[in-house]
Amino acid sequence: QSVLTQPPSVSGAPGQRVTISCTGSSSNIGAYYDVHWYQQLPGKAPKLLVYGNNNRPSGVPDRFSGSKSGTSGSLAITGLQAEDEADYYCQSYDTRLSVLVFGGGTKLTVL
Amino acid sequence: VQLQESGPGLVKPSQTLSLTCTVSGDSLSSGDYSWTWIRQRPGKGLEWIGYIYYSGTTYYNPSLKSRVTISIETSGNQFSLKLTSVTAADTAVYYCTRSQRGYSGYSDYWGLGTQVTVSS
Repeated sequence: QSVLTQPPSVSGAPGQRVTISCTGSSSNIGAYYDVHWYQQLPGKAPKLLVYGNNNRPSGVPDRFSGSKSGTSGSLAITGLQAEDEADYYCQSYDTRLSVLVFGGGTKLTVL
Repeated sequence: VQLQESGPGLVKPSQTLSLTCTVSGDSLSSGDYSWTWIRQRPGKGLEWIGYIYYSGTTYYNPSLKSRVTISIETSGNQFSLKLTSVTAADTAVYYCTRSQRGYSGYSDYWGLGTQVTVSS
């Protein structure tokens, strides 16, 4: 069971908007540690998608955006495309466990 | 920046898993980043193993700390992972990454990953 909780799966039709939540606690996200997001395409290494809660690395489309509030982070994807079908992971730090933590991952299906 | 993992793909139970990450396009000695190992067990999520600064300072996942050593190999711009007393539970794809300094440092560059299977 992951310290950061993500829904196992989400889905949406092409062009639609989906959000993926990452729920933590007062010892990680709620303790002001940043939330980062990664995209893992099938059979590939993860790729950094959002860092520092709401920043995109160069080359990441602005269809992807992140936010953070209280003990949760969120990734929004607008204008869904077939190529967005992948697993998405959030990451933060837990001060009680003294460990860098990942969410369990969310599988995005584009219908 | 490119990272490439290398090492045996098959390790026997109770033995030591040893992997090397070769970095190109950046210098470990720049001191600007931490150098990280992350693994992904079959069908599972990501698990942080630990990271090292060029100074040699290391931080490990407490659940693996007694078995893990990460070190810098300065001559070849490489860093390495050693995991002792492996079991089938250590079967995973192992990734090396470049990470931002700090507790919640994100990994901005990843290797392709290398599959390690623990089996007799």
